Amino acid sequence: DGGITQSPKYLFRKEGQNVTLSCEQNLNHDAMYWYRQDPGQGLRLIYYSQIVNDFQKGDIAEGYSVSREKKESFPLTVTSAQKNPTAFYLCASRPGGGREQFFGPGTRLTVL
Amino acid sequence: GEDVEQSLFLSVREGDSSVINCTYTDSSSTYLYWYKQEPGAGLQLLTYIFSNMDMKQDQRLTVLLNKKDKHLSLRIADTQTGDSAIYFCAETPFSGGYNKLIFGAGTRLAVHP
Repeated sequence: DGGITQSPKYLFRKEGQNVTLSCEQNLNHDAMYWYRQDPGQGLRLIYYSQIVNDFQKGDIAEGYSVSREKKESFPLTVTSAQKNPTAFYLCASRPGGGREQFFGPGTRLTVL
Repeated sequence: GEDVEQSLFLSVREGDSSVINCTYTDSSSTYLYWYKQEPGAGLQLLTYIFSNMDMKQDQRLTVLLNKKDKHLSLRIADTQTGDSAIYFCAETPFSGGYNKLIFGAGTRLAVHP
């Protein structure tokens, strides 16, 4: 089945630790995205990548880092510099030339 | 600036029509989208409309766009309990190259018997 997978579904970390969230897609999509969702708010763009080995900051990139070494993978690291990391993180992808972004199931990160 | 606003809550009776409204500020918007989110899940793309269209219909879903008033609506006919979810309106500005989606805060639709 083609799709976007995010793992794990729930993640708990202690304050001060870096944590990496996984996003994999087998749709052969060129572009990939990371969003953050907080309760009662819309999604906000953290980082995006249009092509392998290239990525751009979104609206709230501070405290996050990404890499895009393979077309199908776009991991997000939440660093200790992120002041309020507890949130629901959503990964998305878009085919080259396409207008729609398709979303994965999300990872809920809780920092204790 | 870029902003998308939605009412936060809508309650309808099963079998009735639901109308979820959205307003946006960016006149350069190229595409406007409706996504559905069920509890604890990712977003599911329902439909989208190009900014030079004023209506799009897809089975039970009808999207209306009033570009002059920057108003977008989603009508769900014969609403079912499975339609209970949060519905997000989003727009992509011309400058974004389909990479930037501006989301509203979402409208929670509750369907009751």
